[in-house]
Amino acid sequence: GDSVTQMEGPVTLSEEAFLTINCTYTATGYPSLFWYVQYPGEGLQLLLKATKADDKGSNKGFEATYRKETTSFHLEKGSVQVSDSAVYFCALGTGGFKTIFGAGTRLFVKA
Amino acid sequence: NAGVTQTPKFQVLKTGQSMTLQCAQDMNHEYMSWYRQDPGMGLRLIHYSVGAGITDQGEVPNGYNVSRSTTEDFPLRLLSAAPSQTSVYFCASSYSKAGALNNEQFFGPGTRLTVL
Repeated sequence: GDSVTQMEGPVTLSEEAFLTINCTYTATGYPSLFWYVQYPGEGLQLLLKATKADDKGSNKGFEATYRKETTSFHLEKGSVQVSDSAVYFCALGTGGFKTIFGAGTRLFVKA
Repeated sequence: NAGVTQTPKFQVLKTGQSMTLQCAQDMNHEYMSWYRQDPGMGLRLIHYSVGAGITDQGEVPNGYNVSRSTTEDFPLRLLSAAPSQTSVYFCASSYSKAGALNNEQFFGPGTRLTVL
């Protein structure tokens, strides 16, 4: 069945470091791919998305490219800030009305 | 707009008790869903609805009931609480019946439930 695998955390970085959170997926058909972010004590909110192969989603300095050949959607940011500390979820949207979420990766950014 | 609201924020139940988690949205979204979030397991879909009067089961529906009498409200009922239902519950909504395919989902702030 459809699934999402993302790197385990926690990931701890110093401020201004480069961030990569890996995400790979298994899906039939042509899914959409999402990154959601969850700040402490809050619900999830959409960070970025891509709906077809080679699309690049971007928002708030974060980027991810939909790679069909490697079935990946890795999240990157060139310079993280303390305020980026959160849990990041990679997700896959299918035509069956269901979104499949990865397990989440907790990011800590130290000043 | 308030977006997606959930009540209560916290709840402690004893095994065997029943309760209803409330969810409402004011964005006129057709698609609504309930997830539970457990450590290391991401979010798992419990039930979803593509419109008033229409509901369907998700990945982990056992022990939960839902109904959708209006577009705005989508309550989740725990029939007889068990410790395995200790979790954080999120309600979400989306613009269209295509729901998850390429539309953003809007999440409520969550309800943290503990079953003793």
